Amino acid sequence: QQQVKQSPQSLIVQKGGISIINCAYENTAFDYFPWYQQFPGKGPALLIAIRPDVSEKKEGRFTISFNKSAKQFSLHIMDSQPGDSATYFCAAKGSGYSTLTFGKGTMLLVSP
Amino acid sequence: SAVISQKPSRDICQRGTSLTIQCQVDSQVTMMFWYRQQPGQSLTLIATANQGSEATYESGFVIDKFPISRPNLTFSTLTVSNMSPEDSSIYLCSGGGGPETQYFGPGTRLLVL
Repeated sequence: QQQVKQSPQSLIVQKGGISIINCAYENTAFDYFPWYQQFPGKGPALLIAIRPDVSEKKEGRFTISFNKSAKQFSLHIMDSQPGDSATYFCAAKGSGYSTLTFGKGTMLLVSP
Repeated sequence: SAVISQKPSRDICQRGTSLTIQCQVDSQVTMMFWYRQQPGQSLTLIATANQGSEATYESGFVIDKFPISRPNLTFSTLTVSNMSPEDSSIYLCSGGGGPETQYFGPGTRLLVL
């Protein structure tokens, strides 16, 4: 049972455009939602995270939007750059020392 | 943040042999995890490495195949035992000081012939 559904599987965006990746979850006990960025040959790196008590979090060009009632959250990359080309994973976890549940990932390619 | 290193970074092994992967964190972390990632795929949690007690394995993973050690708060090992080509994958170590933040190592790329 996949508890975090991520879409699209792949995405091509022109330089300067907005990249949008969506995730939906089923488990209402989830209360922490991080996004990870992974470059080829590297481990995932924590990019930005949100808790459900806020609807939006912004860090530089990266923004998470969170819709608790719809059980959905999304990553927006503004002014996308070729250096943003990577695979992005959304994830979710419950409170305390529980484990992360990952989405299947989105391969983003930002064309110059 | 925590910096996590893994050794070896990659290896090619013969079927039937075992490989031990080491994970070192530059600071004490409460939780350490081992994941498997097929190229182009998502991360699958193998087990949670508990300091001072046995690891907690996820469904489909067993201690005889993937024994784990966690001797202290900065180090863990994962052994892939009696390997077959199906074990070819990327193995990732992860750790976090708090209940939320998890950092990942660079991964160990394993090819079993």
